[in-house]
Amino acid sequence: AQSVAQPEDQVNVAEGNPLTVKCTYSVSGNPYLFWYVQYPNRGLQFLLKYITGDNLVKGSYGFEAEFNKSQTSFHLKKPSALVSDSALYFCAALTGGFKTIFGAGTRLFVKA
Amino acid sequence: DTGVSQNPRHKITKRGQNVTFRCDPISEHNRLYWYRQTLGQGPEFLTYFQNEAQLEKSRLLSDRFSAERPKGSFSTLEIQRTEQGDSAMYLCASSFVGTGLKLPQTYEQYFGPGTRLTVT
Repeated sequence: AQSVAQPEDQVNVAEGNPLTVKCTYSVSGNPYLFWYVQYPNRGLQFLLKYITGDNLVKGSYGFEAEFNKSQTSFHLKKPSALVSDSALYFCAALTGGFKTIFGAGTRLFVKA
Repeated sequence: DTGVSQNPRHKITKRGQNVTFRCDPISEHNRLYWYRQTLGQGPEFLTYFQNEAQLEKSRLLSDRFSAERPKGSFSTLEIQRTEQGDSAMYLCASSFVGTGLKLPQTYEQYFGPGTRLTVT
């Protein structure tokens, strides 16, 4: 079965430190990969995507993600975390042209 | 355009009742998706429309669930004879994928705020 895994339920980081939220995928073909963020009482918001080309993609709010085909990973990164980055982050893979599979989510806590 | 909207935002119903949710996508988005999200989980795919055609329905979806998208605009999701296990957040999303020149292909989805269903 196709799946997206986020191995960490929660990531804690101090403000100003770099952050990484991990994602690995197991899907057929060449999936399109996405990161979404969910703030309390708000809908999911698109952060960034990998379709093709450069393995390092940049997105909103200073986030970036690195696509690694050999490791089937798409980790989310940010050089310097902000308290306002605290939220629930979802990795997702678009397969077969239409169906998106989401990971279970990783809660990011940034401590001041 | 103000984004994807969903109504109602909250719905409390008794077991066995029918409920209907509405989603208004971003105008000119040709794809519309319904998801279900429970606490601690990512969104789970329910069904998908390309314009007015429902092209895929999750095997996990029972026959009590039905969705429509008349005229390729807004969509409704109906749950008949609700059960307590149906309690969840129901999310709608839209995107544009195609060869049209009016909009770039997005692939990423734009989500509404969701409808929280509680079945008592």
